[in-house]
Amino acid sequence: DQQVKQNSPSLSVQEGRISILNCDYTNSMFDYFLWYKKYPAEGPTFLISISSIKDKNEDGRFTVFLNKSAKHLSLHIVPSQPGDSAVYFCAASARTGNQFYFGTGTSLTVIP
Amino acid sequence: NAGVMQNPRHLVRRRGQEARLRCSPVKGHSHVYWYRQLPEEGLKFMVYLQKENIIDESGMPKERFSAEFPKEGPSILRIQQVVRGDSAAYFCASSPQGVNQPQHFGDGTRLSIL
Repeated sequence: DQQVKQNSPSLSVQEGRISILNCDYTNSMFDYFLWYKKYPAEGPTFLISISSIKDKNEDGRFTVFLNKSAKHLSLHIVPSQPGDSAVYFCAASARTGNQFYFGTGTSLTVIP
Repeated sequence: NAGVMQNPRHLVRRRGQEARLRCSPVKGHSHVYWYRQLPEEGLKFMVYLQKENIIDESGMPKERFSAEFPKEGPSILRIQQVVRGDSAAYFCASSPQGVNQPQHFGDGTRLSIL
């Protein structure tokens, strides 16, 4: 039962343009969401988070948007850089739970 | 990834052997999580531990798998009588408190079963 879904396995973007990565979830109890970035042969690295009391959180080039009614969140990277090429995972948790649920990841390639 | 140390990075076992994966959390973190990643899939939660206690093992297979986080020393994920389907990357994460805050991940142990 995949409660967090990333329907785009891959995405290619020109350097300097915007990258938009999408994530959908099914569990209305989720109230905390994160994005992780992962390079090959390394563990995921925390990127940015958002709680359900907000609809936007920004950190430098990275912005996460949360649409609770649509159960959808997205990560915007502006401007995209070649070093952003990695796999991006979204994850969600509920205050009442003990675990994060991860999506299957989107592989981003930023073309120089 | 700084702070969470996992070893070994690669582990090869033959079917029927035991695999022991170790995880030292970030200093000061008392919450440890184990995840498994199969090829082309996301991370799947296995178990959540605090010092000397298993809080949630709902993601752990009922047989052959066990985990501990003793008062002293690293957290251990133990897989007995390994089978080919156990081949995966196993990641450990830690946090200073419970869920609803970022977890810091190690670089994982890649387990291969011959």
